[in-house]
Amino acid sequence: AQKITQTQPGMFVQEKEAVTLDCTYDTSDQSYGLFWYKQPSSGEMIFLIYQGSYDEQNATEGRYSLNFQKARKSANLVISASQLGDSAMYFCAMRAYFGNEKLTFGTGTRLTIIP
Amino acid sequence: EAGVTQFPSHSVIEKGQTVTLRCDPISGHDNLYWYRRVMGKEIKFLLHFVKESKQDESGMPNNRFLAERTGGTYSTLKVQPAELEDSGVYFCASSQRGTRGETQYFGPGTRLLVL
Repeated sequence: AQKITQTQPGMFVQEKEAVTLDCTYDTSDQSYGLFWYKQPSSGEMIFLIYQGSYDEQNATEGRYSLNFQKARKSANLVISASQLGDSAMYFCAMRAYFGNEKLTFGTGTRLTIIP
Repeated sequence: EAGVTQFPSHSVIEKGQTVTLRCDPISGHDNLYWYRRVMGKEIKFLLHFVKESKQDESGMPNNRFLAERTGGTYSTLKVQPAELEDSGVYFCASSQRGTRGETQYFGPGTRLLVL
């Protein structure tokens, strides 16, 4: 079984500051992937970034980076230079690569950027 | 390239009625997934199609839910008869087999309210 834990239900961050959203996971699978999705108030789920369990480098996509610490089973999302449009719910998710392909989600973190 | 589309965007029905949700995946994506988020809870997996075959339906809550994907293109999820606890947001996602991470791309969701 897989489990994702997001311990920050809500965060407030000043515009232009960097923000780290926490995500820890638990799995017995050796090969897995970690994902972050953004859900703005409009409701759609937007894929942000992916990290494979065997990737040696942390993933980066523009202002998004994933701080992957395998031994600690953490996959924190870092958003640099936050913008007002970053205000949204953020979900961490994971899936195994052999067998069960479903995504397991955390409860999400609501990020609010303050101008 | 068009994203995942879902119809309707909202549905309000009375307990005991039937509702059918539709999902059109990204063209060429063999994997199609249904997820649900009930108010205040995590996003939960319902089922997974590979082309027209049900790969995993372990998340389907009960036999009031029926999913189909005839021809391996669009999918429908029918709830019959609907109960109050079926209210929530139903997401569809698709992914392409063999791609890095097999990232699942989500549709905008269907918000279902059962009164």
